[in-house]
Amino acid sequence: DGGITQSPKYLFRKEGQNVTLSCEQNLNHDAMYWYRQDPGQGLRLIYYSQIVNDFQKGDIAEGYSVSREKKESFPLTVTSAQKNPTAFYLCASSIGSITGTEAFFGQGTRLTVV
Amino acid sequence: AQKITQTQPGMFVQEKEAVTLDCTYDTSDPSYGLFWYKQPSSGEMIFLIYQGSYDQQNATEGRYSLNFQKARKSANLVISASQLGDSAMYFCAMREKDTGRRALTFGSGTRLQVQP
Repeated sequence: DGGITQSPKYLFRKEGQNVTLSCEQNLNHDAMYWYRQDPGQGLRLIYYSQIVNDFQKGDIAEGYSVSREKKESFPLTVTSAQKNPTAFYLCASSIGSITGTEAFFGQGTRLTVV
Repeated sequence: AQKITQTQPGMFVQEKEAVTLDCTYDTSDPSYGLFWYKQPSSGEMIFLIYQGSYDQQNATEGRYSLNFQKARKSANLVISASQLGDSAMYFCAMREKDTGRRALTFGSGTRLQVQP
């Protein structure tokens, strides 16, 4: 089945550690996105990529980094510079980035700082 | 300024009744798309319906319809014949063509609870 796979589903991070969230898609989509969701709130854009080897910062990129070396993969690293990383992280992809294409989402990763 | 505004943090509706979830947006781009997503308690985001800025007719998908009023910049979601399974968070989102940033921008969401 085609879709977006995020792993792990739950992740615990100690203070000062970097962690990497995985996002893989087999939909042959060009564009991929990372969003952060805090409890009871909407989704905020962290990073997005419209094509391999290219990505742009979203609204809350500080403390995060990404890479896009392969079309199907868009991993997100939460660095120690991110002071409040506890949140629900959603990865998405779309065929392209023209106005009419909906984004398909993964199941999300819930990150908790311990 | 908020690009997408959802003013109803929570809504209740009786099973089998219709409900309207409000969404207003702000853009100067003449070409844009408006989307509604459903997020159950499991966390996944489910695409419901899409309306393009140049579409002449309101979009419909099964029990979902979008009341698009371009001059008012509103794109309200109407759910007819509510079911218990409709209880979830609902998000309105927009993608603009000419800003150079082609990602979806989301509102803060509305939590819908369907009561038996």
